[in-house]
Amino acid sequence: DAGVIQSPRHEVTEMGQEVTLRCKPISGHDYLFWYRQTMMRGLELLIYFNNNVPIDDSGMPEDRFSAKMPNASFSTLKIQPSEPRDSAVYFCASSPVDGADTQYFGPGTRLTVL
Amino acid sequence: GESVGLHLPTLSVQEGDNSIINCAYSNSASDYFIWYKQESGKGPQFIIDIRSNMDKRQGQRVTVLLNKTVKHLSLQIAATQPGDSAVYFCAETHTGRRALTFGSGTRLQVQP
Repeated sequence: DAGVIQSPRHEVTEMGQEVTLRCKPISGHDYLFWYRQTMMRGLELLIYFNNNVPIDDSGMPEDRFSAKMPNASFSTLKIQPSEPRDSAVYFCASSPVDGADTQYFGPGTRLTVL
Repeated sequence: GESVGLHLPTLSVQEGDNSIINCAYSNSASDYFIWYKQESGKGPQFIIDIRSNMDKRQGQRVTVLLNKTVKHLSLQIAATQPGDSAVYFCAETHTGRRALTFGSGTRLQVQP
């Protein structure tokens, strides 16, 4: 199994630009999660999906952030416009519907907004 | 509100010693707990989990202990190796929530 795949691994952009992060969950997993990790705030849940439907987006910081899951094998997290305080590592995780609530994380995307 | 925290931000041990990483949680409704290991530049990796109907669970070189009375859990690593050096996070959730709440993390440094 390839695990959760994220792209790009690193992204450097300038303030005001649009940023799109991508995630491919583990095949067969019905839950997909987006997290943000910073030194100050640790790992924070942004949003999660079940069967491609957003279930809880209360962690999305502002309207500048949006997430979509057009199908079971792909999700995007978009920031428009980006700001320096958005600089962080963004993780995607997936989880199967049955069994434990264990989440399997991707390698993350390190975003730097200048 | 819900919160999960850690007592020690950094733990330094000698290779071969046993390590104990602690975690406190505040939500009495929490009934599922996971320990994750995060190495530099990588995503969190599942280590071991435990449900609230248990107070101990063992894996390979790792043991998780849960004390629901004081809302505390710990991760014990036997015969710690240099490859165990990483940041360790506890996470919790409860039935019906699905999303995890993570603690702030403890850095484990293994001295050769």
